[in-house]
Amino acid sequence: QLRESGPGLVKPSETLSLTCTVSGASMSSFFWSWIRQPPGKAPEWIGYVSDTGRTTYNPSLNSRVTISIDTSTNQFSLKLASVTAADTAVYYCARGNGFNHYWGQGTLVTVSS
Amino acid sequence: EVVLTQSPGTLSLSPGERATLSCRASQSVANSDFAWYQQKPGQAPRLLIYGASSRATGIPDRFSGSGSGTDFTLTISRLEPEDFAVYYCQQYGGSPPSIFGQGTKLEL
Repeated sequence: QLRESGPGLVKPSETLSLTCTVSGASMSSFFWSWIRQPPGKAPEWIGYVSDTGRTTYNPSLNSRVTISIDTSTNQFSLKLASVTAADTAVYYCARGNGFNHYWGQGTLVTVSS
Repeated sequence: EVVLTQSPGTLSLSPGERATLSCRASQSVANSDFAWYQQKPGQAPRLLIYGASSRATGIPDRFSGSGSGTDFTLTISRLEPEDFAVYYCQQYGGSPPSIFGQGTKLEL
């Protein structure tokens, strides 16, 4: 199981921070992804992190994204800097760096003052 | 960057009918690194097909995927009431590593 947590409201220009807690399985030997979906639109891949901390990001978000992992607590995290209204979306965490079989339920993050 | 174009945008069918959903990539997809997802309102996408034609665990055999290169198809052989949803295609393993199509809404 994967579960996202974090603030549901972020002010413009601030940093969005989310955590995904993984339960029922080891994080070892897997990649872990963040994917977002603006209301009424298709999913957009944000990036992924390996169990050893190696990261790959979507070039369209690369300068604003940081994904990190802490296998000791079975968690990985997303930080997205300098957010605008265009970053309003449901944010999902998922397992895998290609197709994603296991997803969290998603958490809606709204960017608004 | 690869662009995935799904057609049709909306497909209106009835239970028991056959559904054929298409996804075209702007560049050839390597190694059949292609997936299909189903999404219902308020839920996360559900993986149906990966590797262009392999069914994910627990997916009924009425769902099948085919295609290679730039043209991929998801077929639902006989629609059940629970199949009405939005379907997304995905290319993975390229650059960027994951891209989704814009979706096809399968409606009653």
